[in-house]
Amino acid sequence: AQSVAQPEDQVNVAEGNPLTVKCTYSVSGNPYLFWYVQYPNRGLQFLLKYITGDNLVKGSYGFEAEFNKSQTSFHLKKPSALVSDSALYFCAVRPNTGKLIFGQGTTLQVKP
Amino acid sequence: DGGITQSPKYLFRKEGQNVTLSCEQNLNHDAMYWYRQDPGQGLRLIYYSQIVNDFQKGDIAEGYSVSREKKESFPLTVTSAQKNPTAFYLCASSPSDTGNTIYFGEGSWLTVV
Repeated sequence: AQSVAQPEDQVNVAEGNPLTVKCTYSVSGNPYLFWYVQYPNRGLQFLLKYITGDNLVKGSYGFEAEFNKSQTSFHLKKPSALVSDSALYFCAVRPNTGKLIFGQGTTLQVKP
Repeated sequence: DGGITQSPKYLFRKEGQNVTLSCEQNLNHDAMYWYRQDPGQGLRLIYYSQIVNDFQKGDIAEGYSVSREKKESFPLTVTSAQKNPTAFYLCASSPSDTGNTIYFGEGSWLTVV
């Protein structure tokens, strides 16, 4: 079965430190890969996506993600975390055929 | 402003009632979606529509119904057959259903009282 895994329920990082939120997937073919962020009681906001090309994708709010085909991973990164980055982050994968598959979400907590 | 508007933000349903959640988009998107979000379970697809007057069931369609009479509108009815309807409901849209980015509305909370 096709799936997306976010292995950490929560990631804690100090403000100013780099952050990584992990995502791995099990999908055949060459899927499209996405990251979304959700603030409390709000909808999901699109951060970035990978379709093809450069493995490092840059997105909104200083976030970037690195695609690794051999490891079937698409980890979200930011060089310097802000307290305002604290939110729920979702990785999503869209197979060549089929609908978008979401991971379970990872709560990012950035402490001052 | 372009976007996806969901209403109401909060809705309370009594046992045995049907309720309808509104979703309107002015992005000229062909595809629209309804997702349900429960704590710790991510998002699950209820229904989706690729074009006006056509829609398909998602992973958890039982107890829900939709219509797509206009391109801009994709209302979701939560029927009395849905035994556990308390959740956060998210409407979304995309230019087409072939890999484009999906954009979300602000969500609607439904609570059974």
